[in-house]
Amino acid sequence: DGGITQSPKYLFRKEGQNVTLSCEQNLNHDAMYWYRQDPGQGLRLIYYSQIVNDFQKGDIAEGYSVSREKKESFPLTVTSAQKNPTAFYLCASSFVRGGNTEAFFGQGTRLTVV
Amino acid sequence: GQQVMQIPQYQHVQEGEDFTTYCNSSTTLSNIQWYKQRPGGHPVFLIQLVKSGEVKKQKRLTFQFGEAKKNSSLHITATQTTDVGTYFCAGFVIQGAQKLVFGQGTRLTINP
Repeated sequence: DGGITQSPKYLFRKEGQNVTLSCEQNLNHDAMYWYRQDPGQGLRLIYYSQIVNDFQKGDIAEGYSVSREKKESFPLTVTSAQKNPTAFYLCASSFVRGGNTEAFFGQGTRLTVV
Repeated sequence: GQQVMQIPQYQHVQEGEDFTTYCNSSTTLSNIQWYKQRPGGHPVFLIQLVKSGEVKKQKRLTFQFGEAKKNSSLHITATQTTDVGTYFCAGFVIQGAQKLVFGQGTRLTINP
């Protein structure tokens, strides 16, 4: 059963703690993305990666970090430096060649800082 | 950085009325994609446009890509309550690394 999986679905964090959101895909996609969505807002790009061991900052990378050690996995760490981390986080993946760059999204992780 | 602007932010219509959302990019796009997100859900791919001036239809939905590959529109004819949701355009940008940049979305609500 192919797809992209995010976990956990809901996450609560105390202020000052780092937390890591998981994203795994078995679609053999080259590219993976992390977006942040605030209530009533669009999707803002945090980080993206085209190949293993390489990633680039998006528009709002401050306070976040990522790794791409495997093609299938692109975890996102929300650090204590992120001033307003409460949001809905979406991971996506896609091909980058062959003409079809449709992005598949995970179900999302809703992070709340308490 | 790369910006994709989308208007309007909100649109409320009576069921049966038409709906249009517009998307503009600050730079030329490799392709434009459209997604729909239902309340509480995640974005789901609708369509991709690649060629300059391209027009595609899916039942009551018509998608256009501008001649300069910088703007796009989605038009829904005779809206139904099942059309409720937020519609996003997303531009595929090739500037060194390739990335997918989303517009702010248009939230469509419908009065039955």
